[in-house]
Amino acid sequence: QKEVEQDPGPLSVPEGAIVSLNCTYSNSAFQYFMWYRQYSRKGPELLMYTYSSGNKEDGRFTAQVDKSSKYISLFIRDSQPSDSATYLCAMRSGSEKLVFGKGTKLTVNP
Amino acid sequence: DTAVSQTPKYLVTQMGNDKSIKCEQNLGHDTMYWYKQDSKKFLKIMFSYNNKELIINETVPNRFSPKSPDKAHLNLHINSLELGDSAVYFCASSQGRTTGIGETQYFGPGTRLLVL
Repeated sequence: QKEVEQDPGPLSVPEGAIVSLNCTYSNSAFQYFMWYRQYSRKGPELLMYTYSSGNKEDGRFTAQVDKSSKYISLFIRDSQPSDSATYLCAMRSGSEKLVFGKGTKLTVNP
Repeated sequence: DTAVSQTPKYLVTQMGNDKSIKCEQNLGHDTMYWYKQDSKKFLKIMFSYNNKELIINETVPNRFSPKSPDKAHLNLHINSLELGDSAVYFCASSQGRTTGIGETQYFGPGTRLLVL
């Protein structure tokens, strides 16, 4: 079993839809959880981070962490064509390296 | 101003050649990284340096050798290139050694390597 599992998609939604992106993980030591967005032919950029369990909201984006289920989610409300990108979850424990999911490719159609 | 820059952007070369990729960050960060992203978009860390000291060295062939002349630069040299080395290589930097909450890694634009 891979440390971090993420459905690669692709996921295609109409503009304005609510998007749900998810990752599961196996390492219970992970404490820091991040979502990166990667546009085509660009480097990843940090979108959201959360520490331990709970929710975090930033504008149209909400990140959720459920450590008991080893499951993290990113919700995008009122999705826009500019949200079309690959979304990578990433996580780590303490001072260890970041472990990335494979990324989910999202297309928001106008 | 580009925070993390890499050169070259594209690299096409023959099997067996030796090549280098350069990375520079102007953020004043102490830690730099090299990642490899394969054709399926899987991003995996290769190396990390903190103040010119190697702190992460994943299981990569010893044909790959990182070099950090100073904390703003981390270069990657690859000997005897193989077909399987074709990928996008990303450099990244962060303020510390990923020990803090929300330690953000800033990524460069990537170097697309194609080995023929």
